[in-house]
Amino acid sequence: NAGVTQTPKFQVLKTGQSMTLQCAQDMNHNSMYWYRQDPGMGLRLIYYSASEGTTDKGEVPNGYNVSRLNKREFSLRLESAAPSQTSVYFCASRMRAGVETQYFGPGTRLLVL
Amino acid sequence: DAKTTQPNSMESNEEEPVHLPCNHSTISGTDYIHWYRQLPSQGPEYVIHGLTSNVNNRMASLAIAEDRKSSTLILHRATLRDAAVYYCILGDSNYQLIWGAGTKLIIKP
Repeated sequence: NAGVTQTPKFQVLKTGQSMTLQCAQDMNHNSMYWYRQDPGMGLRLIYYSASEGTTDKGEVPNGYNVSRLNKREFSLRLESAAPSQTSVYFCASRMRAGVETQYFGPGTRLLVL
Repeated sequence: DAKTTQPNSMESNEEEPVHLPCNHSTISGTDYIHWYRQLPSQGPEYVIHGLTSNVNNRMASLAIAEDRKSSTLILHRATLRDAAVYYCILGDSNYQLIWGAGTKLIIKP
């Protein structure tokens, strides 16, 4: 039981390049989330998917797109990376929106030059 | 904006209890209080949550003030492995967690 997995672990991009961050969970959870964390800060919600087939914007969605590929997988795409998107990205899941526990992946460290 | 206020950092000695405070003066009647922690270079992990009554689990205890405007996370016997950033979090109307900067807990051997 791997929980929440994220790929890649590290990535360096040049300004303007695109990339997709992958996230998968094997806990049969309905809700999935993408956060970013800048140094010394808490997490900020980028996008979330309350259930398969739905996605909604969070606090900081600009510059990102998401796809809920199926119940297990939720990807985050940067179409044209900018230095301001240098951050650590965390994917999380929980059984459903509400008070249930969120389970987090190990994170993807992204550097945009 | 985060709806909670926590000290930036706290220090404690190993094998002693730790009390981590959190203020949430604008809490609404339906807001749950969540605590997560983040070990260095890892994703956050759940610690405990509660609504009105004090809560205990194998990791910690959560003491909630009667007016619910503050709460305290209690680690009964801190170890070096408890060194982490601890986040006190409320949810918004869509049950999304609103994260602040947390408290960095330093454990001295």
